[in-house]
Amino acid sequence: QKEVEQDPGPLSVPEGAIVSLNCTYSNSAFQYFMWYRQYSRKGPELLMYTYSSGNKEDGRFTAQVDKSSKYISLFIRDSQPSDSATYLCAMPAGGTSYGKLTFGQGTILTVHP
Amino acid sequence: GAVVSQHPSRVICKSGTSVKIECRSLDFQATTMFWYRQFPKKSLMLMATSNEGSKATYEQGVEKDKFLINHASLTLSTLTVTSAHPEDSSFYICSAGDRGNTQYFGPGTRLTVL
Repeated sequence: QKEVEQDPGPLSVPEGAIVSLNCTYSNSAFQYFMWYRQYSRKGPELLMYTYSSGNKEDGRFTAQVDKSSKYISLFIRDSQPSDSATYLCAMPAGGTSYGKLTFGQGTILTVHP
Repeated sequence: GAVVSQHPSRVICKSGTSVKIECRSLDFQATTMFWYRQFPKKSLMLMATSNEGSKATYEQGVEKDKFLINHASLTLSTLTVTSAHPEDSSFYICSAGDRGNTQYFGPGTRLTVL
């Protein structure tokens, strides 16, 4: 079993839809949770960074963490064609914010106009 | 957010030659840099962890003599692919972080070995 599992999709939605992206993890030592967005042929860009269980909102993005279930989510409201990208969840090792990252497989999202 | 640059963005070389890729943190000091490799439509695979002033720590299965890493300063790490072969063709990405920071990624370098 992989330490971090993420549905690779692909996921295709119409513009304006709410998108839900999810990851599960097995290592209880993970304390920090990141979501990265990666456009084709570009490096990953940090979108959200959370520590505690609960919700964190930033504009159209909401990150949700449930440590008891080892489950994290990223919600995108009012999705736009520019949101079309691969979304990667990632967790640093060692209970720190800067340890080496374990990535999910990435979910390919396409938002149609 | 913090900015990490990579150079070159794209390189094509002949089989048997060596290629050096630079990773720079532009507006912060990075005590740790990470080097990843990514195949098309796949997630990032960590190759090695580079700490300033010490030897890099390589992940299992990564040949340290083939992928030479040097972290000479708090803002620069280099990855040298020695005696490159077509199977080394890939997208190489670095990330940089520091205590109190999360990791920020460079834009990547696409290596094609002919």
